[in-house]
Amino acid sequence: GENVEQHPSTLSVQEGDSAVIKCTYSDSASNYFPWYKQELGKRPQLIIDIRSNVGEKKDQRIAVTLNKTAKHFSLHITETQPEDSAVYFCAASWASGTYKYIFGTGTRLKVLA
Amino acid sequence: DGGITQSPKYLFRKEGQNVTLSCEQNLNHDAMYWYRQDPGQGLRLIYYSQIVNDFQKGDIAEGYSVSREKKESFPLTVTSAQKNPTAFYLCASSMLGQGKLFFGSGTQLSVL
Repeated sequence: GENVEQHPSTLSVQEGDSAVIKCTYSDSASNYFPWYKQELGKRPQLIIDIRSNVGEKKDQRIAVTLNKTAKHFSLHITETQPEDSAVYFCAASWASGTYKYIFGTGTRLKVLA
Repeated sequence: DGGITQSPKYLFRKEGQNVTLSCEQNLNHDAMYWYRQDPGQGLRLIYYSQIVNDFQKGDIAEGYSVSREKKESFPLTVTSAQKNPTAFYLCASSMLGQGKLFFGSGTQLSVL
């Protein structure tokens, strides 16, 4: 079946450095790729998303890139801050009314002060 | 994000018992979802619903049941047939045709 592989499972960076999380999806019909951030003890929240007709999207310190040919997409966080510490989930979906996501297994990011 | 409410926060199930997790939203969203979260396994879809009185199985529906009698409510029952129910359960909702999921704060279910 469809799946999304996410790497790395844990990532530690120094404050101010960049962090990159990568995901690979299997279903070539997927056309919507969101990223969710889950802080400890809190609910996941959407931080950025990208659709298949776009190769890159940026929102302040966060950017997502998509390579449809290779079926992978990445989250880039620049100038990391302690409040970026959380678990990040990527997901892939096809847009057809109800979005039926396949989530990656998550990356625990630790930003060291 | 107070628009989607899950209860209880913690729930304990005895052997052979069915338990029901509540999910209510006041966002006027058409679609609602139930996910199971296990350590190291991400979020897996249990059931989802697009409209009242209609729902579809997700990837891990066995041992679970749902109902959608009202637009605002999508309760999940964990039946005795679910042999490994210990997990964190997340409810979510979205507008049809829009990808953004709004999550509840979750219910941690444990087995006594």
